[in-house]
Amino acid sequence: QVQLVQSGAEIKKPGASVKVSCEASGYSFSLYYMVWVRQAPGQGLEWMGVMNPKGGSTSYAQKFQGRVTMTRDTSTSTVYMELSSLRSDDTAVYYCARGDLILGPVRDAFDVWGQGTMVSVSS
Amino acid sequence: QSVLTQPPSVSAAPGQQVTISCSGSSSNIENSLVSWYRQLPGTVPELLISENSKRPSGIPDRFSGSKSGTSATLAITGLQTGDEADYYCAAWDNGLRAIVFGRGTKLTVL
Repeated sequence: QVQLVQSGAEIKKPGASVKVSCEASGYSFSLYYMVWVRQAPGQGLEWMGVMNPKGGSTSYAQKFQGRVTMTRDTSTSTVYMELSSLRSDDTAVYYCARGDLILGPVRDAFDVWGQGTMVSVSS
Repeated sequence: QSVLTQPPSVSAAPGQQVTISCSGSSSNIENSLVSWYRQLPGTVPELLISENSKRPSGIPDRFSGSKSGTSATLAITGLQTGDEADYYCAAWDNGLRAIVFGRGTKLTVL
């Protein structure tokens, strides 16, 4: 079945970086965009950016520009999200989610979600 | 302050209908496709509605979406206690060049 499996919880100190992985299975990895969405404790959803796994191109939300890097490894169908210069308000659950078919119509909808990775930032 | 405005909470009795509004602008809802997500307590968000009104397979027809101008609405009929969750709207914002989410609406089935 189609699924996204993310790496485990992380505890980081302010100023450090974190890299979260998301392994896709059950579908053609390179055919669909992948997005990252985060959710701070008790808060709503926040879109961080999108990656085209086929060519590796990315687009990031302005809020995260300069601090976030999304990469992929097509040999393992895995995408990565690295966030640097961590602050306490980066404490959140980070989700990867499957986006639109790259060569399909725009839907701007995310139909498969990873289980989430809790990142805690504390001194 | 979120770009998309949702009521913080709504409530209704089992079997009744409820609507959740999502208000935006010409930068997002009016010229983009709206999707809706449900997040049951302690779980991962789930796509409920895409492209303003389309239900993915497996989503019952008790859930419906609509859009008019700068607003979108999620309607849920035949409410069940299992529908208690947080509901989020989302759309592409041309000005921000990003997907924006509403702050979410907590549905309580009394």
